[in-house]
Amino acid sequence: EAGVVQSPRYKIIEKKQPVAFWCNPISGHNTLYWYLQNLGQGPELLIRYENEEAVDDSQLPKDRFSAERLKGVDSTLKIQPAELGDSAVYLCASSFSGDTGELFFGEGSRLTVL
Amino acid sequence: AQSVTQPDIHITVSEGASLELRCNYSYGATPYLFWYVQSPGQGLQLLLKYFSGDTLVQGIKGFEAEFKRSQSSFNLRKPSVHWSDAAEYFCAVDPIYNQGGKLIFGQGTELSVKP
Repeated sequence: EAGVVQSPRYKIIEKKQPVAFWCNPISGHNTLYWYLQNLGQGPELLIRYENEEAVDDSQLPKDRFSAERLKGVDSTLKIQPAELGDSAVYLCASSFSGDTGELFFGEGSRLTVL
Repeated sequence: AQSVTQPDIHITVSEGASLELRCNYSYGATPYLFWYVQSPGQGLQLLLKYFSGDTLVQGIKGFEAEFKRSQSSFNLRKPSVHWSDAAEYFCAVDPIYNQGGKLIFGQGTELSVKP
């Protein structure tokens, strides 16, 4: 069974440029998460989806970040424009609703903003 | 303030030695508790979790953790460390009882294993 797939694995951009990350969750997982992991820190939740609905986006900086999960499967996280402080790893995870705590993580997308 | 604290940023142990990684939480009630491991360049993987009941929980890869309510702790242990255990370990809590898996992670403890 395939795990959570993220792309790209690495992205280097200049500040003020846009960037997008894609996530394909495990088949059948209706809950999808985007986490931000800064160097030397634990992951922090950006947004959580239940199917197509964003049920928790309180930590998403909405002035420059946006996310979507069309059809309740794949998801895209976008940053426009990127700032130097956005350099981090963006992790996608998925789970079954009600399967407490067992999140399955992708390998992450490492963003470097120059 | 609500928080998860892993006091040790980096630990080095010899292969075959025992290991204990510390985790303390600060919440009004006992949250759901987890340990995840992240190998270099990999995603996080669940090692074990505690919801209720027996305070000593067994996980994968020979790890176990003990919940101590009086100390608000959930320390991870392994009796004999293998070189492949070198990784970053994260303690996490779900403070609102399975309301969507909004996990709060500690800052992590990096484990190095020397021959």
